[in-house]
Amino acid sequence: QITLKESGPTLVKPTQTLTLTCTFSGFSLSTSEMGVGWVRQPPGKALEWLALIYWNDDKRYSPSLKNRLTITRDTSKNQVVLTLTNMDPVDTATYYCIQTPGGGFKVWGQGALVTVSS
Amino acid sequence: QSALTQPASVSGSPGRSITISCTGTSSDVGAYNYVSWYQQHAGKAPKLMIFHVTDRPSGVSTRFSGSKSGNTASLTISGLQAEDEADYFCCSYTTSHTWVFGGGTKLTVL
Repeated sequence: QITLKESGPTLVKPTQTLTLTCTFSGFSLSTSEMGVGWVRQPPGKALEWLALIYWNDDKRYSPSLKNRLTITRDTSKNQVVLTLTNMDPVDTATYYCIQTPGGGFKVWGQGALVTVSS
Repeated sequence: QSALTQPASVSGSPGRSITISCTGTSSDVGAYNYVSWYQQHAGKAPKLMIFHVTDRPSGVSTRFSGSKSGNTASLTISGLQAEDEADYFCCSYTTSHTWVFGGGTKLTVL
């Protein structure tokens, strides 16, 4: 069974850096074509793709957030970490970790609500 | 990259069929057969319903089907059921090797 779980702060202050960790099980990020990434959803709004890291360490970022995002992996711990710098209230959202073996975001984590407020 | 365009809402009666459109450009929907669709019930995480334009993951009802023509992809739900009432999002791979979602469509089963 494949599972992903997001962890990190629920509240951050404006200008701070958000660090979220996705801990997964049931698959290996070293498997060819495999990817793990992040999608967010502000309350009541649409999904927004953020970043993806692939089995070969290739990394892709949303063009609109590229300068603020970093995605890394720790294959030995089965974790993927996302950092988003210079947080703003508009970054308030539920952040989802996703798994893709290619073609679609097959498995989703439960999501982690992050609120940006002073 | 701009979000893909979906109708804000659609509705249909139980047993009928509905189609949700997802319009992009030649740089995303029209470029590859990497369009996927997600169902999201209120307060829940999204669920993959269609990938590679037409493929259904194991366990997804055959009432859900996908298609594409040019820069527009479509999700059709036949034999509407009350449990189909949810938000639906399309997503496409792009020529920049990134992903882009649609704005979402709220499906109401009358």
